[in-house]
Amino acid sequence: AQKVTQAQTEISVVEKEDVTLDCVYETRDTTYYLFWYKQPPSGELVFLIRRNSFDEQNEISGRYSWNFQKSTSSFNFTITASQVVDSAVYFCALSGSSASKIIFGSGTRLSIRP
Amino acid sequence: DTGVSQNPRHKITKRGQNVTFRCDPISEHNRLYWYRQTLGQGPEFLTYFQNEAQLEKSRLLSDRFSAERPKGSFSTLEIQRTEQGDSAMYLCASSLERHWYNEQFFGPGTRLTVL
Repeated sequence: AQKVTQAQTEISVVEKEDVTLDCVYETRDTTYYLFWYKQPPSGELVFLIRRNSFDEQNEISGRYSWNFQKSTSSFNFTITASQVVDSAVYFCALSGSSASKIIFGSGTRLSIRP
Repeated sequence: DTGVSQNPRHKITKRGQNVTFRCDPISEHNRLYWYRQTLGQGPEFLTYFQNEAQLEKSRLLSDRFSAERPKGSFSTLEIQRTEQGDSAMYLCASSLERHWYNEQFFGPGTRLTVL
């Protein structure tokens, strides 16, 4: 069975602080894909990143960075120098090798205070 | 706009009524997915189509739910005899099948409230 766990239900930080959102996944597939999505108050899911199971290189995109560690089945997301506009619910997700469906975690609500 | 569109964006209905939602995928995307998102949770997979064929259905999709994609383009999701527990955001996504991965693009969702 596939499962994604986001243990942090809510996080609140002051603007300009760094914040890390944790994600732990379970799968028996050897080929799989991991994602992060952002859901702002408007409700639309915004794709942030996809990694496949064979690529453990960390990735940085502007203020965003992702740390993928197969040894601990984790795919954590860090926002550096957070901004109020980063306030949203963030979902970590997993898809198997057939890529027919995405399994989402329960989300972390991030609030950035000015 | 060439993204996934969903109509209506909001629907309020009384318990026991039938409702139908429509999803228009990105042009030429051959895969279409339906997800349901309840308050405070992540989206949950309901079903998906490849062209006209419905290839997978979740156990969440009870007998009161039916989805169609008659011509392999737009899709409809119908809920019969709605219950208060059906209140949720219904999300549609589409993708173009590739040999290694199908990137799913999500629509804005239809928010259903059952009174």
